[in-house]
Amino acid sequence: AQSVTQLGSHVSVSEGALVLLRCNYSSSVPPYLFWYVQYPNQGLQLLLKYTTGATLVKGINGFEAEFKKSETSFHLTKPSAHMSDAAEYFCAVSDRDTGGFKTIFGAGTRLFVKA
Amino acid sequence: NAGVMQNPRHLVRRRGQEARLRCSPMKGHSHVYWYRQLPEEGLKFMVYLQKENIIDESGMPKERFSAEFPKEGPSILRIQQVVRGDSAAYFCASSPAGAKNEQFFGPGTRLTVL
Repeated sequence: AQSVTQLGSHVSVSEGALVLLRCNYSSSVPPYLFWYVQYPNQGLQLLLKYTTGATLVKGINGFEAEFKKSETSFHLTKPSAHMSDAAEYFCAVSDRDTGGFKTIFGAGTRLFVKA
Repeated sequence: NAGVMQNPRHLVRRRGQEARLRCSPMKGHSHVYWYRQLPEEGLKFMVYLQKENIIDESGMPKERFSAEFPKEGPSILRIQQVVRGDSAAYFCASSPAGAKNEQFFGPGTRLTVL
């Protein structure tokens, strides 16, 4: 069965510092991989996704993530944090074999950005 | 192009009442998915529907919960005889027919059971 582990339920960075949110997955075959952001009392917004091809994926708002099959990881990074990045971030996977309809989410990492 | 619409955004029910949550998918999307988010947790898949068909309901509780996506109108998630443990945010997502992994999420309905 697929699963997603996000290391660190809370991450705090200073404005302008590197953002690194960690995600590891467990799957028998490489799944589809996603990062979503959720602002308070709002729905999820897709930041980026990996389906096939280049393993370094660029998303919105300056975020990017790299799929590393050997490490079963899909960590999210941003070179310079902005106050507006403060939110909850969810890593997710879905199964290629079923067409990817059942998305499995990690527990989330809340990002705090200090001025 | 309007996104996924959910209503109501907030719903308060007393124990034992029924809750009906509505979801209108994005224009051109024929697949709907419901997820539940409990406090301090990630989203959990509940059910996947196409028009007039339930495709996968492996995440739905066996009792009191049902979902439908009629030929006309929005998808409905129905919770009968609500209990306090049903308090959560319920999110709907939709996708086009050929891209089930490209799910667009609605703003959610936050259900509070008193």
